[in-house]
Amino acid sequence: RKEVEQDPGPFNVPEGATVAFNCTYSNSASQSFFWYRQDCRKEPKLLMSVYSSGNEDGRFTAQLNRASQYISLLIRDSKLSDSATYLCVVRDSNYQLIWGAGTKLIIKP
Amino acid sequence: DAGVTQSPTHLIKTRGQQVTLRCSPKSGHDTVSWYQQALGQGPQFIFQYYEEEERQRGNFPDRFSGHQFPNYSSELNVNALLLGDSALYLCASSPPGIGEGQYFGPGTRLTVT
Repeated sequence: RKEVEQDPGPFNVPEGATVAFNCTYSNSASQSFFWYRQDCRKEPKLLMSVYSSGNEDGRFTAQLNRASQYISLLIRDSKLSDSATYLCVVRDSNYQLIWGAGTKLIIKP
Repeated sequence: DAGVTQSPTHLIKTRGQQVTLRCSPKSGHDTVSWYQQALGQGPQFIFQYYEEEERQRGNFPDRFSGHQFPNYSSELNVNALLLGDSALYLCASSPPGIGEGQYFGPGTRLTVT
């Protein structure tokens, strides 16, 4: 089993729809959690950290479920510019970041 | 405020050669990590430097080595290049504090022929 698993997609979603990604992690001692987005042939960019209480940034909401060892990302009112690959990242107790392979999102007009 | 910078942006080498990639972290960041990313995959952790020491290492052979300088900048060296080393090499910096995310440079695209 991979340490961090994501559905590779692609998710094809009409503009304006709501889309949700899930990510599971295997190490229960994981300490910090993040979502990154990566555009084609560009570097990953930090989208948001994920806190135990859940957090929201505009149209984006991230949640953490430690008991079930998964994190989620919800995008509301999706825009064409949201098309990208979304990477789930988990930091373990040794400071190392473990990356998922990413979920590709395609927003269609 | 400059973000993370990397040089060169592109590089072509032949098998068996050696390469050095460079990274300058974002201002205020003291930790530098290096990643290898193949097309269609997530970044694979190579190693992380903090206080000029290698703090953590991923599953990469000894051909991959690095260094961090007193100004927090870093180098990644790869010896005896293989065709499979062709990838995007990403440098990421992070500020003090384990709860902080990492900020990436634009990467160096290495092609080994």
